[in-house]
Amino acid sequence: DAGVTQSPTHLIKTRGQQVTLRCSPKSGHDTVSWYQQALGQGPQFIFQYYEEEERQRGNFPDRFSGHQFPNYSSELNVNALLLGDSALYLCASSPGQGALGSPLHFGNGTRLTVT
Amino acid sequence: QKEVEQNSGPLSVPEGAIASLNCTYSDRGSQSFFWYRQYSGKSPELIMFIYSNGDKEDGRFTAQLNKASQYVSLLIRDSQPSDSATYLCAGGEKLVFGTGTRLLVSP
Repeated sequence: DAGVTQSPTHLIKTRGQQVTLRCSPKSGHDTVSWYQQALGQGPQFIFQYYEEEERQRGNFPDRFSGHQFPNYSSELNVNALLLGDSALYLCASSPGQGALGSPLHFGNGTRLTVT
Repeated sequence: QKEVEQNSGPLSVPEGAIASLNCTYSDRGSQSFFWYRQYSGKSPELIMFIYSNGDKEDGRFTAQLNKASQYVSLLIRDSQPSDSATYLCAGGEKLVFGTGTRLLVSP
Protein backbone atom coordinates (compact mmCIF):
# COMPACT_ATOMS: atom_id res chain seq x y z
CA ASP A 1 0.00 0.00 0.00
CA ALA A 2 1.78 3.11 -1.25
CA GLY A 3 1.83 6.04 1.08
CA VAL A 4 1.86 9.68 0.07
CA THR A 5 4.39 10.27 -2.69
CA GLN A 6 5.85 13.62 -3.68
CA SER A 7 8.04 14.73 -6.52
CA PRO A 8 10.63 15.99 -6.97
CA THR A 9 12.53 15.42 -3.73
CA HIS A 10 14.80 18.40 -4.22
CA LEU A 11 14.57 21.48 -6.39
CA ILE A 12 16.72 24.55 -6.90
CA LYS A 13 15.16 27.62 -8.51
CA THR A 14 16.10 31.24 -9.06
CA ARG A 15 14.19 34.23 -7.70
CA GLY A 16 11.29 35.18 -9.94
CA GLN A 17 10.89 31.72 -11.43
CA GLN A 18 7.86 29.49 -11.09
CA VAL A 19 7.75 25.98 -9.63
CA THR A 20 5.30 23.07 -9.63
CA LEU A 21 5.36 20.38 -6.98
CA ARG A 22 3.39 17.15 -7.28
CA CYS A 23 1.71 14.81 -4.84
CA SER A 24 -0.11 11.50 -4.99
CA PRO A 25 -2.19 10.73 -1.92
CA LYS A 26 -2.23 7.51 0.04
CA SER A 27 -4.52 4.87 -1.43
CA GLY A 28 -8.07 5.41 -0.21
CA HIS A 29 -7.52 9.08 0.63
CA ASP A 30 -9.45 11.79 -1.18
CA THR A 31 -8.29 14.98 0.52
CA VAL A 32 -4.92 16.63 0.00
CA SER A 33 -3.36 19.39 2.08
CA TRP A 34 -0.16 21.30 1.47
CA TYR A 35 2.17 22.65 4.13
CA GLN A 36 5.33 24.75 4.12
CA GLN A 37 7.94 23.99 6.75
CA ALA A 38 10.81 26.40 7.24
CA LEU A 39 13.90 25.23 9.08
CA GLY A 40 13.27 24.93 12.81
CA GLN A 41 9.56 25.66 12.47
CA GLY A 42 6.40 23.63 12.47
CA PRO A 43 4.55 23.06 9.20
CA GLN A 44 2.39 26.00 8.08
CA PHE A 45 -0.93 25.25 6.39
CA ILE A 46 -1.12 26.49 2.78
CA PHE A 47 -4.40 25.01 1.52
CA GLN A 48 -6.54 21.91 1.28
CA TYR A 49 -8.17 20.32 -1.76
CA TYR A 50 -11.16 18.05 -1.93
CA GLU A 51 -13.28 17.17 -4.95
CA GLU A 52 -10.91 19.21 -7.12
CA GLU A 53 -11.70 22.42 -5.23
CA GLU A 54 -9.73 24.48 -2.76
CA ARG A 55 -11.66 24.09 0.50
CA GLN A 56 -9.55 25.95 3.02
CA ARG A 57 -6.61 28.29 2.74
CA GLY A 58 -3.98 29.46 5.17
CA ASN A 59 -2.27 32.82 5.29
CA PHE A 60 -0.35 32.54 2.02
CA PRO A 61 -0.35 35.00 -0.90
CA ASP A 62 -1.99 34.31 -4.24
CA ARG A 63 1.42 33.38 -5.65
CA PHE A 64 0.66 30.00 -4.11
CA SER A 65 -1.95 28.11 -6.05
CA GLY A 66 -2.93 24.52 -6.47
CA HIS A 67 -4.93 21.97 -8.29
CA GLN A 68 -6.44 18.58 -7.61
CA PHE A 69 -7.08 16.06 -10.33
CA PRO A 70 -9.90 13.50 -10.63
CA ASN A 71 -7.54 10.76 -9.36
CA TYR A 72 -7.05 12.87 -6.18
CA SER A 73 -3.44 13.74 -6.98
CA SER A 74 -2.50 17.37 -6.53
CA GLU A 75 -0.08 20.07 -7.61
CA LEU A 76 1.24 23.09 -5.77
CA ASN A 77 2.35 26.01 -7.91
CA VAL A 78 4.39 28.94 -6.67
CA ASN A 79 4.93 31.94 -8.92
CA ALA A 80 7.46 34.76 -8.70
CA LEU A 81 9.64 32.85 -6.26
CA LEU A 82 11.21 34.74 -3.37
CA LEU A 83 14.21 33.74 -1.29
CA GLY A 84 11.83 33.30 1.64
CA ASP A 85 10.00 30.55 -0.22
CA SER A 86 12.92 28.24 0.43
CA ALA A 87 11.50 25.49 2.63
CA LEU A 88 10.36 21.91 2.83
CA TYR A 89 6.98 21.56 1.16
CA LEU A 90 4.89 18.78 2.57
CA CYS A 91 1.87 17.15 1.06
CA ALA A 92 -0.52 15.33 3.36
CA SER A 93 -3.56 13.25 2.58
CA SER A 94 -6.52 12.11 4.61
CA PRO A 95 -9.68 10.08 4.03
CA GLY A 96 -11.80 12.77 5.56
CA GLN A 97 -13.97 13.66 2.55
CA GLY A 98 -12.82 17.22 2.99
CA ALA A 99 -13.49 17.25 6.70
CA LEU A 100 -11.07 19.34 8.63
CA GLY A 101 -9.32 17.97 11.65
CA SER A 102 -8.80 14.50 10.18
CA PRO A 103 -5.50 12.69 10.83
CA LEU A 104 -3.04 13.56 8.08
CA HIS A 105 -0.46 11.27 6.51
CA PHE A 106 2.53 13.15 5.16
CA GLY A 107 4.73 12.52 2.17
CA ASN A 108 8.51 12.85 2.37
CA GLY A 109 8.37 16.40 1.12
CA THR A 110 10.05 18.47 -1.56
CA ARG A 111 13.00 20.56 -0.47
CA LEU A 112 12.86 23.83 -2.44
CA THR A 113 15.85 26.13 -2.50
CA VAL A 114 15.49 29.58 -4.07
CA THR A 115 18.74 31.35 -4.95
CA GLN B 1 -0.21 35.06 19.82
CA LYS B 2 0.60 31.67 18.37
CA GLU B 3 -2.39 29.35 18.20
CA VAL B 4 -0.44 26.28 19.32
CA GLU B 5 2.54 26.66 21.61
CA GLN B 6 5.22 24.22 22.62
CA ASN B 7 8.48 24.50 24.49
CA SER B 8 11.21 24.04 21.89
CA GLY B 9 13.44 22.10 24.29
CA PRO B 10 15.55 20.14 24.08
CA LEU B 11 13.96 17.87 26.65
CA SER B 12 16.59 15.40 27.82
CA VAL B 13 15.61 12.14 29.55
CA PRO B 14 17.56 8.95 30.29
CA GLU B 15 16.65 5.71 28.60
CA GLY B 16 13.74 3.99 30.36
CA ALA B 17 12.33 7.20 31.86
CA ILE B 18 9.00 8.86 31.11
CA ALA B 19 9.14 11.80 28.71
CA SER B 20 6.40 14.39 29.13
CA LEU B 21 5.71 16.74 26.23
CA ASN B 22 3.28 19.61 26.60
CA CYS B 23 1.28 21.86 24.32
CA THR B 24 -1.20 24.70 24.84
CA TYR B 25 -3.64 26.11 22.33
CA SER B 26 -5.65 29.29 22.04
CA ASP B 27 -8.62 28.32 19.87
CA ARG B 28 -11.34 27.10 22.24
CA GLY B 29 -13.24 25.77 19.23
CA SER B 30 -10.54 23.22 18.42
CA GLN B 31 -11.97 19.74 18.62
CA SER B 32 -9.13 17.47 17.56
CA PHE B 33 -5.48 17.31 18.44
CA PHE B 34 -2.61 15.38 17.00
CA TRP B 35 0.92 14.44 17.94
CA TYR B 36 3.45 13.94 15.19
CA ARG B 37 7.04 12.75 15.45
CA GLN B 38 9.60 14.18 13.04
CA TYR B 39 13.10 12.87 12.70
CA SER B 40 15.70 15.28 11.37
CA GLY B 41 15.35 15.66 7.62
CA LYS B 42 12.22 13.53 7.49
CA SER B 43 8.51 14.27 7.24
CA PRO B 44 6.13 14.24 10.24
CA GLU B 45 4.75 10.86 11.24
CA LEU B 46 1.40 10.60 13.03
CA ILE B 47 1.72 9.09 16.52
CA MET B 48 -1.64 9.74 18.11
CA PHE B 49 -4.78 11.83 17.87
CA ILE B 50 -7.27 12.69 20.58
CA TYR B 51 -10.72 14.22 20.37
CA SER B 52 -12.15 13.84 23.88
CA ASN B 53 -11.13 15.10 27.28
CA GLY B 54 -9.08 12.62 29.25
CA ASP B 55 -6.41 10.10 28.38
CA LYS B 56 -5.86 7.94 25.34
CA GLU B 57 -3.25 5.20 25.46
CA ASP B 58 -1.50 3.41 22.60
CA GLY B 59 1.40 1.21 23.58
CA ARG B 60 4.09 3.32 25.23
CA PHE B 61 2.30 6.55 24.30
CA THR B 62 -0.45 8.33 26.22
CA ALA B 63 -2.11 11.50 24.98
CA GLN B 64 -3.94 13.71 27.43
CA LEU B 65 -6.43 16.45 26.58
CA ASN B 66 -7.88 19.05 28.91
CA LYS B 67 -10.16 21.36 26.96
CA ALA B 68 -10.98 23.55 29.96
CA SER B 69 -7.29 24.35 30.40
CA GLN B 70 -6.61 24.25 26.64
CA TYR B 71 -3.79 21.83 27.26
CA VAL B 72 -2.59 18.73 25.43
CA SER B 73 0.24 16.46 26.47
CA LEU B 74 2.04 13.36 25.30
CA LEU B 75 3.68 10.91 27.67
CA ILE B 76 6.22 8.42 26.39
CA ARG B 77 6.89 5.58 28.80
CA ASP B 78 10.10 3.55 28.79
CA SER B 79 11.77 6.12 26.50
CA GLN B 80 14.25 4.70 24.01
CA PRO B 81 17.10 6.42 22.16
CA SER B 82 15.09 5.80 18.97
CA ASP B 83 12.43 8.14 20.38
CA SER B 84 14.86 11.04 20.01
CA ALA B 85 13.13 13.36 17.55
CA THR B 86 11.07 16.53 17.38
CA TYR B 87 7.48 16.10 18.53
CA LEU B 88 4.90 18.36 16.91
CA CYS B 89 1.55 19.16 18.47
CA ALA B 90 -1.23 20.19 16.09
CA GLY B 91 -4.86 21.12 16.44
CA GLY B 92 -7.76 23.08 15.10
CA GLU B 93 -9.65 23.09 11.85
CA LYS B 94 -6.67 24.02 9.72
CA LEU B 95 -4.39 21.74 11.73
CA VAL B 96 -2.17 24.45 13.12
CA PHE B 97 1.19 23.09 14.23
CA GLY B 98 3.37 24.17 17.09
CA THR B 99 7.08 24.66 16.51
CA GLY B 100 7.82 21.29 18.09
CA THR B 101 9.72 20.03 21.12
CA ARG B 102 13.02 18.31 20.56
CA LEU B 103 13.37 15.16 22.69
CA LEU B 104 16.76 13.61 23.44
CA VAL B 105 16.85 10.18 25.07
CA SER B 106 20.29 9.24 26.30
CA PRO B 107 21.39 5.58 26.63
